[in-house]
Amino acid sequence: DAKTTQPPSMDCAEGRAANLPCNHSTISGNEYVYWYRQIHSQGPQYIIHGLKNNETNEMASLIITEDRKSSTLILPHATLRDTAVYYCIGRTKNTGTASKLTFGTGTRLQVTL
Amino acid sequence: GAVVSQHPSRVICKSGTSVKIECRSLDFQATTMFWYRQFPKQSLMLMATSNEGSKATYEQGVEKDKFLINHASLTLSTLTVTSAHPEDSSFYICSATSGGPSYEQYFGPGTRLTVT
Repeated sequence: DAKTTQPPSMDCAEGRAANLPCNHSTISGNEYVYWYRQIHSQGPQYIIHGLKNNETNEMASLIITEDRKSSTLILPHATLRDTAVYYCIGRTKNTGTASKLTFGTGTRLQVTL
Repeated sequence: GAVVSQHPSRVICKSGTSVKIECRSLDFQATTMFWYRQFPKQSLMLMATSNEGSKATYEQGVEKDKFLINHASLTLSTLTVTSAHPEDSSFYICSATSGGPSYEQYFGPGTRLTVT
C-alpha cells in the first residue's frame, strides 16, 4: 500500500469548510484513496474513498489530483463534532482477500467556535 | 454502514490474569476480522488478521501465544490477552469485513484494557 503524508494538525472555524490534504506520490494505479476518522476514544469511522474521480457523499467530498499524487478531503461545513483525527490510507481493492488498512499518524482536526 | 460491536467496552484486570474481548458483526457475516491496538496518542497498529474457520495471521512482533484469536463463526471473533501485564494496557479495536466486492472494513467502538 502507498505511503501517505498528512499534516499533523489543523484548525478550522465552525461552519467553515475544512480542507485536509494528503500526499500519496507512490500510489499505484490500482490503489484507492480511503479516508477514515477517529473521534477520541472511539473506533475509526469510514468517510469516503476514491480511485481517480472526485467523490462526494453525505459526509464529505474527496478531490483527487489528475496525477493521483495527492488528494484533499473536504468537510463543507465543519462542526464541533467533526473534531477528530483524520487518516488518509492508500489501499488496493478487490484483491480476492480482504486487504489490510495501514494507518499513519493522520491529521488532528480541531474545530473551534 | 454495517455495525460492529465489542464487549466489554472497558476492563480492568490484575497482572497475570487473562482477559477476553469479543468482536461481533451485528448485521452482516464477517469472513475476515482484524484486531488493532492503539497506545495513547499513537495510531492504530494492526495485530492480526483472522479468517473464519482458520488460524489467525499475526503481524511481525505480535506474540501469537500471548494474544489468542478465535474466529469460530461468521459473526464473532475473540481476542484473549493471556497473562496480561501493565504494558498490555491499551485500546483494542476490531474491524470486520464481509469480503464482498467492496471489501469495506467496519470498526468496532474499541475496548479499553487496563492492567494493574
